[in-house]
Amino acid sequence: QKEVEQNSGPLSVPEGAIASLNCTYSDRGSQSFFWYRQYSGKSPELIMSIYSNGDKEDGRFTAQLNKASQYVSLLIRDSQPSDSATYLCAVTVTNFGNEKLTFGTGTRLTIIP
Amino acid sequence: EPEVTQTPSHQVTQMGQEVILRCVPISNHLYFYWYRQILGQKVEFLVSFYNNEISEKSEIFDDQFSVERPDGSNFTLKIRSTKLEDSAMYFCASSEGRNQPQHFGDGTRLSIL
Repeated sequence: QKEVEQNSGPLSVPEGAIASLNCTYSDRGSQSFFWYRQYSGKSPELIMSIYSNGDKEDGRFTAQLNKASQYVSLLIRDSQPSDSATYLCAVTVTNFGNEKLTFGTGTRLTIIP
Repeated sequence: EPEVTQTPSHQVTQMGQEVILRCVPISNHLYFYWYRQILGQKVEFLVSFYNNEISEKSEIFDDQFSVERPDGSNFTLKIRSTKLEDSAMYFCASSEGRNQPQHFGDGTRLSIL
């Protein structure tokens, strides 16, 4: 069973601080890694994608990937109350062109004003 | 910005009835997906579709489910005889190509009575 694991939280972070979200995955064949944000009752919204080891920055967001440790993380700098949401880690294993996303259960993040 | 659109936003149906959920993927995207999310649970893959055929389906996607791309824009999910446990949010997603991020529609909330 290919799994994606996340701490369900809730994770509470003061406004303006750095929020750190973590994810591990079990399938070493995983090739693409994504972070989605999901507000309550809404659909997943793509935040970041990362494909190779190292860091990738986009505005206040930084994704980090370590394939040897099977670990991917998301850092949110200067956290804002609007960042309060559930963050979903998702992984794909490309298998004969099939690219389903396997999601973690998500980490609920609350930014405290 | 192009987006995936889904209709209806909410569908209430009696158990045993057939439902069709509709999606219009982003126009230049080639890969299409259906996912579902039962309340309080993680997002689960149902089926992927490429080049006018199913490329992969999950164990959830049994004989009661079918997908179709009836024309150049629509992508539908049919549940032939609904069960109580089919109650969930159903998300359509599309991607431009291999290993590209999947973009989700707003979802259809399906309630089976």
